[in-house]
Amino acid sequence: QVQLLESGPGLVKPSETLSLTCAVSGDSITSDFYWGWVRQSPGRGLQWIGSIYVGTSTYDNPSLRGRVSISADTSKNHFSLKLTSLTATDTAFYWCVRHGGPSAGTGIGYWGQGTLVTVSS
Amino acid sequence: YELTQPPSVSVSPGQTATITCSGHNLGNKYACWYQQRPGQSPVLVIYEDTKRPSGIPERFSGSNSGNTATLTISGAQAMDEADYYCQAWDSNAVIFGGGTKLTVL
Repeated sequence: QVQLLESGPGLVKPSETLSLTCAVSGDSITSDFYWGWVRQSPGRGLQWIGSIYVGTSTYDNPSLRGRVSISADTSKNHFSLKLTSLTATDTAFYWCVRHGGPSAGTGIGYWGQGTLVTVSS
Repeated sequence: YELTQPPSVSVSPGQTATITCSGHNLGNKYACWYQQRPGQSPVLVIYEDTKRPSGIPERFSGSNSGNTATLTISGAQAMDEADYYCQAWDSNAVIFGGGTKLTVL
């Protein structure tokens, strides 16, 4: 069974950089899947942040204006998110996810438990 | 690219709930649907327009044609009350609809 577990700070100051890590078990991050991040601000809908296809490419949401960096550590079988220039609007629940690619249609089959990140001074 | 869903849908127990998701030429892409109960992570209920993952009840079904994808819940139950999100890919980006709150009453 594939499991994903997010870790990182629950509180970050405005203008700083958020760093989250997702530990993966039950699958290799070098398998034929995309590994990504999705968030949800309180009372709002789901927003895709970005994804990585390990060894090939990364994709991110254009609306986040280049603030997103996603990387992978195959030796630890985990991947990470960095989100820069934080503001209060980045306060949200953050999930790491596994999903298929653009032509696969398989959707986001696995979600982590999620972690709440609050941006506040 | 945008996916548009109605903010809310209501259904009586045992009746059929229909939730739509509209996007330009959505029928040319694959649509997926997620259920999110309060305080929980989303769960995939439909993928590749019409397929149900293991463990998802048969009362959940999907279709996708033209500009509209549809999630149908036949014989809705109280436990189906949740937020539902459609999702598709466009230009190497994952796109979510705004979500629909399904009320079963």
